[in-house]
Amino acid sequence: SQQGEEDPQALSIQEGENATMNCSYKTSINNLQWYRQNSGRGLVHLILIRSNEREKHSGRLRVTLDTSKKSSSLLITASRAADTASYFCATGKTGANNLFFGTGTRLTVIP
Amino acid sequence: DSGVTQTPKHLITATGQRVTLRCSPRSGDLSVYWYQQSLDQGLQFLIQYYNGEERAKGNILERFSAQQFPDLHSELNLSSLELGDSALYFCASSVETFTGELFFGEGSRLTVL
Repeated sequence: SQQGEEDPQALSIQEGENATMNCSYKTSINNLQWYRQNSGRGLVHLILIRSNEREKHSGRLRVTLDTSKKSSSLLITASRAADTASYFCATGKTGANNLFFGTGTRLTVIP
Repeated sequence: DSGVTQTPKHLITATGQRVTLRCSPRSGDLSVYWYQQSLDQGLQFLIQYYNGEERAKGNILERFSAQQFPDLHSELNLSSLELGDSALYFCASSVETFTGELFFGEGSRLTVL
């Protein structure tokens, strides 16, 4: 399968703590993206990192990409209860016209 | 609001029936993607259209079909429905056909009884 796999499947932390989610994939990619989904709602794009980039920041989000290990991580700093959602990585494969999504990490931030 | 509109939001039907899900992409977006989200299988890519033409096909069953019309809206047709087809069906759009950022609709929740 070309899908990414997120780890862990579920994560529960206290408000104010940092949350780290990992994504592994199998094929060569031209970019990797992270999306957020509130329960039963549509996915919202968070950040895109290209294959020639190693780290990217956006507000409280930090994404790293290691193409040699075919893995990425998403760090959410100083988490808030409103960050409670499922987080998905999606890979844009070289030469392909669509994104392949992982199975997601369900993050719960306890107030 | 992503700008992508999907109808209906909820749909309940019986096995063996046929339904049509509709998607209006963001203004100016030429690419439309359909994804299926089941409880135990994450987000599965079904099919992509670009400016009216099919561009990529994923795990779409033969009982399912889709098209994109000249006004760029898209429809996903699901026929001979089975219990296992119950899922959230998402439409997403993007400007080009490359794998950039996708804008998702709120989904159509299909329940097959």
